[in-house]
Amino acid sequence: ELKVEQNPLFLSMQEGKNYTIYCNYSTTSDRLYWYRQDPGKSLESLFVLLSNGAVKQEGRLMASLDTKARLSTLHITAAVHDLSATYFCAVDDSNSGYALNFGKGTSLLVT
Amino acid sequence: EPEVTQTPSHQVTQMGQEVILRCVPISNHLYFYWYRQILGQKVEFLVSFYNNEISEKSEIFDDQFSVERPDGSNFTLKIRSTKLEDSAMYFCASTGGRYSPLHFGNGTRLTVT
Repeated sequence: ELKVEQNPLFLSMQEGKNYTIYCNYSTTSDRLYWYRQDPGKSLESLFVLLSNGAVKQEGRLMASLDTKARLSTLHITAAVHDLSATYFCAVDDSNSGYALNFGKGTSLLVT
Repeated sequence: EPEVTQTPSHQVTQMGQEVILRCVPISNHLYFYWYRQILGQKVEFLVSFYNNEISEKSEIFDDQFSVERPDGSNFTLKIRSTKLEDSAMYFCASTGGRYSPLHFGNGTRLTVT
């Protein structure tokens, strides 16, 4: 069974600071996604990472993928309050074909 | 921008009753999904649907659950006899291809009393 682990699960950071969220997964996969969820809202797609070494950036967020280490990172640069949300990584279980396995999410609070 | 729409936004039902949650995926998408999220917990996969049949289902998706795409636009999730533990936010999602992101609807909050 594919396991997806995120850490930290809770993160409180000051505006202007940098931080990284980590996503480890347990089996081979060729797709990794990052989603953002605001309280009581739906999931918004942030990044799709499809190959080893893939790096994508949007504003203050940058995501990377190391398939050999089975690790993805979401780096936050100079955090602002608007980034406060829960961030999920999700990994495709290549054996299953279509199901995404989500991590538990990282609740980020920027103060 | 096209959206996945779900109705109702909130459904309250009594234990043992049947509920149908409705979704209209993005029109040119081919793959459809139901996920659920119990309050404050992680998002859990229920079922995927492609080419008018179930592609995969999780252990959660037991005989009480079924999905249909009755008319080429709607995609429904039926729970035949609801239990208290079915209370959750149910999200529908769709995508045009395996390497594209899933687009999620705003969810239906199901409360079973």
